[in-house]
Amino acid sequence: DQQVKQNSPSLSVQEGRISILNCDYTNSMFDYFLWYKKYPAEGPTFLISISSIKDKNEDGRFTVFLNKSAKHLSLHIVPSQPGDSAVYFCAARQGAQKLVFGQGTRLTINP
Amino acid sequence: GAVVSQHPSWVICKSGTSVKIECRSLDFQATTMFWYRQFPKQSLMLMATSNEGSKATYEQGVEKDKFLINHASLTLSTLTVTSAHPEDSSFYICSARSGVGQPQHFGDGTRLSIL
Repeated sequence: DQQVKQNSPSLSVQEGRISILNCDYTNSMFDYFLWYKKYPAEGPTFLISISSIKDKNEDGRFTVFLNKSAKHLSLHIVPSQPGDSAVYFCAARQGAQKLVFGQGTRLTINP
Repeated sequence: GAVVSQHPSWVICKSGTSVKIECRSLDFQATTMFWYRQFPKQSLMLMATSNEGSKATYEQGVEKDKFLINHASLTLSTLTVTSAHPEDSSFYICSARSGVGQPQHFGDGTRLSIL
């Protein structure tokens, strides 16, 4: 049972444009959502998070949007840079329970 | 801030060997540490959750006698893969958090190859 889904395994975006990564979830009890970035042979790096009481959180070039009614969150990266090329995982959690990860989306930023 | 160090980064050993992987939180106290396994092109699979000073909680299907976890202090957790076999070859990643409402921070992972 995949509670957190990233339906796009890959995404290519031109440098300078906006990258939008999407994530859907099925468990309405999730109350905390996170995005991680991962390079090959390295552990994931925390990017940004959002609590279920908010619908938007912004940190520099990264903005996460949460649509609770649609059980959907997205990560916007503006402007996209070559160093943003990586695999992005969304994750969700209910209270103190374990994080549930999506399958990841490989983002490639083209010069 | 929030640095998690994992050691070693790469291990190659013979079948039957036991391998210990260390996970340290360098600049914060980790009340909870997590151990994950990642297969190629797949997501992170949680193996177990450990709280300092107590026994680890293992996910369904993970053999606790095979994967020994010790969380002896607020900055160190270890995963020992006992009598490792080729099917245990994988990328193991630890993470730590300082509190329930805090994000998890990950180590750089350990690539384990069993010959």
